[in-house]
Amino acid sequence: QLQLQESGPGLVKPSETLSLTCTVSGGSISSSSYYWGWIRQPPGKGLEWIGSISYSGSTYYNPSLKSRVTISVDTSKNQFSLRLSSVTAADTAVYYCAQIVVIDWYFDLWGRGTLVTVSS
Amino acid sequence: SFELTQPPSVSVSPGQTASITCSGDNLGNKYASWYQQKPGQSPVLVIYQDIKRPSGIPERFSASNSGNSATLTISGTQTLDEADYYCQAWDNSIGGVFGTGTKVTVL
Repeated sequence: QLQLQESGPGLVKPSETLSLTCTVSGGSISSSSYYWGWIRQPPGKGLEWIGSISYSGSTYYNPSLKSRVTISVDTSKNQFSLRLSSVTAADTAVYYCAQIVVIDWYFDLWGRGTLVTVSS
Repeated sequence: SFELTQPPSVSVSPGQTASITCSGDNLGNKYASWYQQKPGQSPVLVIYQDIKRPSGIPERFSASNSGNSATLTISGTQTLDEADYYCQAWDNSIGGVFGTGTKVTVL
């Protein structure tokens, strides 16, 4: 059974770069049927798609975050990663990684999420 | 830009039917998905490709999508259906778009 697990620092200072990794277990990240994505949810608020990547490295980013986001993939480790630069308090959120079914672009499997707080 | 709007809240009595709408320009021309999120948990896919239910999702969850709106219907609502619900679609210009979310209260 495929599982996704986010990992990374829970506290990041303002103006620094947030870095998270999603480890995929129970299956291979190298499938053309799926993309792999990051979604975030500020406390008490709704879901926001950040970006997505294929196993070959093709990416899509949310235009509102594109200038600060980089998503990469490491197929040898079955992982994909998120980097968000120049963070502010507004980037405080629970960050989820998810598997995306390419045919119709829906998120069929989610990680448990990890809370990242931006504070000095 | 493409946006999806949902009512902030819906209240329903146990055993009754809850309907949640999701509005967006020409949403009917895209596939809509729906997610259930309970407090402190990750979202769970309950509907994909407008009307399909993933394995394990009860039959009381159904949906439709046409014109400028999609609708999620929960028939015979149970207390365990109390949660936040989000619609989602993919826009070729923007990418993944989530609705504003609807809190379903069963009382």
